[in-house]
Amino acid sequence: GENVEQHPSTLSVQEGDSAVIKCTYSDSASNYFPWYKQELGKRPQLIIDIRSNVGEKKDQRIAVTLNKTAKHFSLHITETQPEDSAVYFCAANIAGNTPLVFGKGTRLSVIA
Amino acid sequence: GAVVSQHPSRVICKSGTSVKIECRSLDFQATTMFWYRQFPKQSLMLMATSNEGSKATYEQGVEKDKFLINHASLTLSTLTVTSAHPEDSSFYICSASQQGARETQYFGPGTRLLVL
Repeated sequence: GENVEQHPSTLSVQEGDSAVIKCTYSDSASNYFPWYKQELGKRPQLIIDIRSNVGEKKDQRIAVTLNKTAKHFSLHITETQPEDSAVYFCAANIAGNTPLVFGKGTRLSVIA
Repeated sequence: GAVVSQHPSRVICKSGTSVKIECRSLDFQATTMFWYRQFPKQSLMLMATSNEGSKATYEQGVEKDKFLINHASLTLSTLTVTSAHPEDSSFYICSASQQGARETQYFGPGTRLLVL
């Protein structure tokens, strides 16, 4: 089955700097890669996703890149703000109502 | 985006009792819902996949007789934790995906269960 590895487990950045979180997956059949942000005690919120037919997607300060050959994908947050502090999870699955397999999460702290 | 609700948001119960958690898709139909468990400072671990009108599919290591799942309609799935023990204390979260947009999963707000 699919296995998703996520690094780093914790990340501290100064406000205004960029943050990068990386994930690798094992199943070459996976074709959908979402990123979720989870604040303490709350539900995960989808912040961006990418499908295997594209290599990069951007939404304002957030971007995701996908390298299918290497089986890795990354989340990039630019101009970080304190409210970006949260736990971020990457995930992967094969599209079609199959379960998401999550990485272990990255705790991002943005220091003002 | 699509809205998923869960009830209750928080429950405290005694050992040996059963607890039912409801997951509802409020503005869309979900043929499939997923149940996750999240322990403190850990990732979401899939427990089972709930399919409307059929039996749930459980992940390895999850006891189907202890965690009863019913998906009786396209908008409601329930998880019943039977004979709860303190080690069952956790954050239980459901997710659902829309028909026709099968990749994106929307999460409920979660249910925090504390078994005394």
